[in-house]
Amino acid sequence: RKEVEQDPGPFNVPEGATVAFNCTYSNSASQSFFWYRQDCRKEPKLLMSVYSSGNEDGRFTAQLNRASQYISLLIRDSKLSDSATYLCVVIRIYNQGGKLIFGQGTELSVKP
Amino acid sequence: DAGVIQSPRHEVTEMGQEVTLRCKPISGHNSLFWYRQTMMRGLELLIYFNNNVPIDDSGMPEDRFSAKMPNASFSTLKIQPSEPRDSAVYFCASSYTPGPGGNQPQHFGDGTRLSIL
Repeated sequence: RKEVEQDPGPFNVPEGATVAFNCTYSNSASQSFFWYRQDCRKEPKLLMSVYSSGNEDGRFTAQLNRASQYISLLIRDSKLSDSATYLCVVIRIYNQGGKLIFGQGTELSVKP
Repeated sequence: DAGVIQSPRHEVTEMGQEVTLRCKPISGHNSLFWYRQTMMRGLELLIYFNNNVPIDDSGMPEDRFSAKMPNASFSTLKIQPSEPRDSAVYFCASSYTPGPGGNQPQHFGDGTRLSIL
């Protein structure tokens, strides 16, 4: 089982739709959580951090449930420009330091 | 502001040749990370440095891979000899971390697309 697992996708949605991505992580020692976005043939870019209290950035809302080891990303009123792969990322801290563990990513395609 | 700078952007070479990938982190960042991305395995951390010291190289696939960080503004990832299965996109990323914890979000370079024939 992968340490970070995401919905396989792809998600094909019309403009204006609301779409939700889910992610689970297996290591309870994970301490920080992020969503990254990666456009085709580009580098991953930080979309937003994820906090236990939940956080919102415009049309994007991220939630973390530590008890269930579950992270979500909600995109409201989706735009064509939201088409990308969304990567769930957890940081696992261990004796030598910390490392980012990436999920495989969920592909989103927003259609006109 | 200059981001993470990687070179070359693309590299095509024959099996058995030595390949050197280069990275300049963001000025002021003290942690540097090398990743490899393939369709099959996604993004994998190969090695990371904190204050120029390798902290974790457990992701380095085998002895053919080596990485160095001689100073705070430069790192190399070398593959010798290269094999077709090394074909992937290699990303370098950097961040500022007060300690070796590496728990801050990272900024990625554009990547090097490596093809080994």
